Amino acid sequence: NAGVTQTPKFQVLKTGQSMTLQCAQDMNHEYMSWYRQDPGMGLRLIHYSVGAGITDQGEVPNGYNVSRSTTEDFPLRLLSAAPSQTSVYFCASSYRGYNSPLHFGNGTRLTVT
Amino acid sequence: AQSVTQPDIHITVSEGASLELRCNYSYGATPYLFWYVQSPGQGLQLLLKYFSGDTLVQGIKGFEAEFKRSQSSFNLRKPSVHWSDAAEYFCAVGVDTNAGKSTFGDGTTLTVKP
Repeated sequence: NAGVTQTPKFQVLKTGQSMTLQCAQDMNHEYMSWYRQDPGMGLRLIHYSVGAGITDQGEVPNGYNVSRSTTEDFPLRLLSAAPSQTSVYFCASSYRGYNSPLHFGNGTRLTVT
Repeated sequence: AQSVTQPDIHITVSEGASLELRCNYSYGATPYLFWYVQSPGQGLQLLLKYFSGDTLVQGIKGFEAEFKRSQSSFNLRKPSVHWSDAAEYFCAVGVDTNAGKSTFGDGTTLTVKP
């Protein structure tokens, strides 16, 4: 059982570079989301999706784009990386939404210099 | 808007001692509550969840939590801590206006002394 798979595990970018964080789940979950984790700040929601073709902004969406062309995949794009985006990023999925627990990937540690 | 507060940033307990991690939430209706654990370098794993019914819920790894509506609390407990329980613990609330989303507390880091 793969669950939620995130790639890469680590990434270093220079300011202004772009990249895509990949996320795939094999549980046929409708809901997927991206969180960032910063020390002492818990997890903050960046973007989420309630199904293929539907996305919406979370708490901290600025500087990030998402799309959901399939149920399985939910990539997160940084168009022009900034040092403030240095963080650990987690992708999560869930079955029915608010009353279902989240299943997390193992995270991507991103450093922007 | 809903919110979750974990008052203790860091807790240290001796192996074999009991543990209680505090969580307070703010939400107008009955919330859906979760506790997750994060080991170093890993994603979060669900420990237990509360939706309705019995206010004392059992989870994995010997953990339990008690929902107290009057105190807006959902504290996590374990009778006897093992060294492998050292990790970061997050309380979260899911609410019906947020499809597939949860609001997380800032986390409590647990250190276990031998």
